[in-house]
Amino acid sequence: GAVVSQHPSWVICKSGTSVKIECRSLDFQATTMFWYRQFPKQSLMLMATSNEGSKATYEQGVEKDKFLINHASLTLSTLTVTSAHPEDSSFYICSARWVGQPSYGYTFGSGTRLTVV
Amino acid sequence: KQEVTQIPAALSVPEGENLVLNCSFTDSAIYNLQWFRQDPGKGLTSLLLIQSSQREQTSGRLNASLDKSSGRSTLYIAASQPGDSATYLCAVYIYNTDKLIFGTGTRLQVFP
Repeated sequence: GAVVSQHPSWVICKSGTSVKIECRSLDFQATTMFWYRQFPKQSLMLMATSNEGSKATYEQGVEKDKFLINHASLTLSTLTVTSAHPEDSSFYICSARWVGQPSYGYTFGSGTRLTVV
Repeated sequence: KQEVTQIPAALSVPEGENLVLNCSFTDSAIYNLQWFRQDPGKGLTSLLLIQSSQREQTSGRLNASLDKSSGRSTLYIAASQPGDSATYLCAVYIYNTDKLIFGTGTRLQVFP
């Protein structure tokens, strides 16, 4: 159980275009989803937290107008990188929080490799 | 501000060795600690979750311990195999902020 599906697994786009990444919880309802960014050989950096039906909370230094997050349902959150530039090239991973026994745990998507050319 | 550090940053060992990966955190007010595995270019796979009230968790050849008061966790891998090669990340859950803070990671390579 607690599977998170993330698509696409990789995408190449031209500079100036927008890219949408989807994150779905397949067998549970995710009231909260998290978006991370990971640079090569570095750890995960939290970008934003999204709660179903409300605006996302962005971490300091993350441009909310550039990284649009929508969490319209309990099973789907999307991250749109608007007007992408080469410096946005990175590995993006989503995560959903589930309440299991005995306590909280996190399940992660398989990640999306974004390359902006 | 919570900071999570992992030592060593990289480790290369022959098959069969028992390994110890370390994770330290600066603020002991955590709700739980989770160990993950990440293969190159892939997402994260949860290995073990330790609640703040627990001392250790075991799964197969993996054993994770938690000493909250000293801000340390250890992941023990018994009889390592080449298939264990990956990056191992620890992360602490900050209850009041609902955030998962990741460590710097340990890149493990087990050679035959």
